[in-house]
Amino acid sequence: AQTVTQSQPEMSVQEAETVTLSCTYDTSESNYYLFWYKQPPSRQMILVIRQEAYKQQNATENRFSVNFQKAAKSFSLKISDSQLGDTAMYFCASLFKNAGNMLTFGGGTRLMVKP
Amino acid sequence: ETGVTQSPTHLIKTRGQQVTLRCSSQSGHNTVSWYQQALGQGPQFIFQYYREEENGRGNFPPRFSGLQFPNYSSELNVNALELDDSALYLCANSFNRGADTQYFGPGTRLTVL
Repeated sequence: AQTVTQSQPEMSVQEAETVTLSCTYDTSESNYYLFWYKQPPSRQMILVIRQEAYKQQNATENRFSVNFQKAAKSFSLKISDSQLGDTAMYFCASLFKNAGNMLTFGGGTRLMVKP
Repeated sequence: ETGVTQSPTHLIKTRGQQVTLRCSSQSGHNTVSWYQQALGQGPQFIFQYYREEENGRGNFPPRFSGLQFPNYSSELNVNALELDDSALYLCANSFNRGADTQYFGPGTRLTVL
């Protein structure tokens, strides 16, 4: 079975500072994607960033970047210049292309950005 | 905004009743996946439909069933509701059996009393 683990239930950061959220996963598959989704209080699950496992280069989207360590099965999210609007639940998720194409989510990290 | 809509936004049912939840499809997204998110947890995969046929199922009992229509919109039906069915139900659209990014709707909050 595929598993995704987020070891930080809650984190806080001051506005304009940088924060890193951790995620580890377990799989024997070689063909997969990894995602970070953001879920604000409005409940909508919003895609933050995506990484294809075959790509060595870490994905970047504006203030959001990942540190993908394939051998260690680690996929952390770095948020730079944190903004109040970044306050939300963040979920790490995996999609294994030979295992039904379902997303497997971690338990989430609640991030609070403080002014 | 992902362009995916769900209805209703929230509803309240009692144990033993049946419920139908609906999900629209963005143009061209031929795959829909449904997830259940209990309070304080990550979403759990229920099932996926591709071109009107079930394409995978998670660890949910048969009283959870679904449909996908020719326009790729979808329904989730739950029979014989139990208290533990209280959750946020999310649908996600994607291409090609979900083997790519999945875009979520805003969810339906179901409360079972």
